[in-house]
Amino acid sequence: KAGVTQTPRYLIKTRGQQVTLSCSPISGHRSVSWYQQTPGQGLQFLFEYFSETQRNKGNFPGRFSGRQFSNSRSEMNVSTLELGDSALYLCASRVTGVPGNEQFFGPGTRLTVL
Amino acid sequence: AQKITQTQPGMFVQEKEAVTLDCTYDTSDQSYGLFWYKQPSSGEMIFLIYQGSYDEQNATEGRYSLNFQKARKSANLVISASQLGDSAMYFCAMREWLLTGGGNKLTFGTGTQLKVEL
Repeated sequence: KAGVTQTPRYLIKTRGQQVTLSCSPISGHRSVSWYQQTPGQGLQFLFEYFSETQRNKGNFPGRFSGRQFSNSRSEMNVSTLELGDSALYLCASRVTGVPGNEQFFGPGTRLTVL
Repeated sequence: AQKITQTQPGMFVQEKEAVTLDCTYDTSDQSYGLFWYKQPSSGEMIFLIYQGSYDEQNATEGRYSLNFQKARKSANLVISASQLGDSAMYFCAMREWLLTGGGNKLTFGTGTQLKVEL
């Protein structure tokens, strides 16, 4: 079974631009979560999607948004990029309704904002 | 709010020896889950082991075991017979069930950088 895939793997943008990152979960996984990892703040929860609905969002400004499609694939968008948005963005998927169901992470998208 | 504390920024261990990575947690929830992930320099988070708060026995997965002491709120990872490929960052995480909207999220510790030496 294929793992979680994320595209692109690396991205360089300039301040003020917007960016869209994509995540394809493991087949059969309907929950997709996004995390931001920076050296200063560590790993922080961005949001979780399930059945095309955002369930919860972490403490991030409205510039960070996302969506999920009917095939469970998810995208996250960051508008008006700031230098501080440079980070590794990790996507994770899981099966729901099963105790102890771990989240499987993708390889991440490394975003650099210049 | 939940909190995970990893007090060892870096650890060194010799190949074939065992190593313990510390993790303490704070939560008021009765039901929670604890995870350990490995992150090599490539960036991908690799799931290692899971312990549920109601599990009476310590979890084990191959060379990994979780030393779960509920009263002390600790969930230390033990790696036996370390290998060079174990060199990586290790994160302890706790699952928090979110009442508003349902679903859950993981709260991570700051990580421990493990270096396995010959």
